[in-house]
Amino acid sequence: GQQVMQIPQYQHVQEGEDFTTYCNSSTTLSNIQWYKQRPGGHPVFLIQLVKSGEVKKQKRLTFQFGEAKKNSSLHITATQTTDVGTYFCAVPPQGSGNTGKLIFGQGTTLQVKP
Amino acid sequence: DGGITQSPKYLFRKEGQNVTLSCEQNLNHDAMYWYRQDPGQGLRLIYYSQIVNDFQKGDIAEGYSVSREKKESFPLTVTSAQKNPTAFYLCASSVGRSRNQPQHFGDGTRLSIL
Repeated sequence: GQQVMQIPQYQHVQEGEDFTTYCNSSTTLSNIQWYKQRPGGHPVFLIQLVKSGEVKKQKRLTFQFGEAKKNSSLHITATQTTDVGTYFCAVPPQGSGNTGKLIFGQGTTLQVKP
Repeated sequence: DGGITQSPKYLFRKEGQNVTLSCEQNLNHDAMYWYRQDPGQGLRLIYYSQIVNDFQKGDIAEGYSVSREKKESFPLTVTSAQKNPTAFYLCASSVGRSRNQPQHFGDGTRLSIL
């Protein structure tokens, strides 16, 4: 079946260091979404990537969609304590038609030491 | 998100008891979803509904039931058949049938066994 793997599962960084999480799919994706969940909170939509090789930036966050549309990455430059949380990628299941359903990766939990 | 209200925030279930989690949205979204999140895990889909009076099972529907009598409401019942109900339950909604729509989440309900 379709799998979405996110690595690493956990990452501890010193404030000011960079951080990257990767999302890999076993199948070609139509699009990929990224969400952030703060500790004790709920997932919040960050961005959606649709085009092959697409790169989008939100301040210190850079999102990339692979050329083959099977992988994606989220890179944070110069982390701050406000970046703490779990970052999830989410993809539509293959063959699901237009249901709006998503498969979520396991998430990467980021800890930032001040 | 302010448009989705989940209640209660915390819920305790006794053995053999059914409990119902409330989810209400005022975003005028057609699609609604229920997820279960276990510690350190991603989100697993329990049930989803694309339109009033219609819903489909997700990946882990056993021991759960839902109804969608109104567009705004999608309550989830955790039945006594669900032997391991302790988890964080998240309700989400999206505009409708599309692969490219983000999901908006409520604040969640934490369910524990007494």
